Amino acid sequence: EAGVVQSPRYKIIEKKQPVAFWCNPISGHNTLYWYLQNLGQGPELLIRYENEEAVDDSQLPKDRFSAERLKGVDSTLKIQPAELGDSAVYLCASSLDSSGTEAFFGQGTRLTVV
Amino acid sequence: KNEVEQSPQNLTAQEGEFITINCSYSVGISALHWLQQHPGGGIVSLFMLSSGKKKHGRLIATINIQEKHSSLHITASHPRDSAVYICAVFRGAQKLVFGQGTRLTINP
Repeated sequence: EAGVVQSPRYKIIEKKQPVAFWCNPISGHNTLYWYLQNLGQGPELLIRYENEEAVDDSQLPKDRFSAERLKGVDSTLKIQPAELGDSAVYLCASSLDSSGTEAFFGQGTRLTVV
Repeated sequence: KNEVEQSPQNLTAQEGEFITINCSYSVGISALHWLQQHPGGGIVSLFMLSSGKKKHGRLIATINIQEKHSSLHITASHPRDSAVYICAVFRGAQKLVFGQGTRLTINP
């Protein structure tokens, strides 16, 4: 069975341009997370979905970041407009539920804003 | 002070050495993850544990809930073990909190 799939793996864009990342979680996993990981640091939660509902988006910079999980399966994370400081790895993870079951991570999307 | 602290931050060892990475946390948790992240790669879950000890191949993870401490051990280390090892805890409200990671380099 495929794990969590993210695309693209790498993205280079100019500042002020929009960018979108896509995540396909493991089949049957109700909980989906988007994390941001800066170089040399641990991941930080941006948003957590339970099915199609965003239940924790307190750390999502809503002025430029948006996310959706319309059918409770795939999810997209968008940045518009991108800033230099957005350069980081964006990780998607999924778990069966959010009661403390094991989370599985995708390969991540490395974003470089120039 | 971070809720999850790992030590050391960087560790270099020779092939074959016994490796220990430590994780201390300051909050109540329901479970703890040990994760592995290779350069340019995604994160792989190694263990999830809430008590005692787990073993998988050359990897051993232990947790002491009373002392709020966990360790990850690697026996007979190999250069392919070189990676960043991350400790993450499930805190209240289903929140996964990550440590800063330990960068391990095993030289042949």
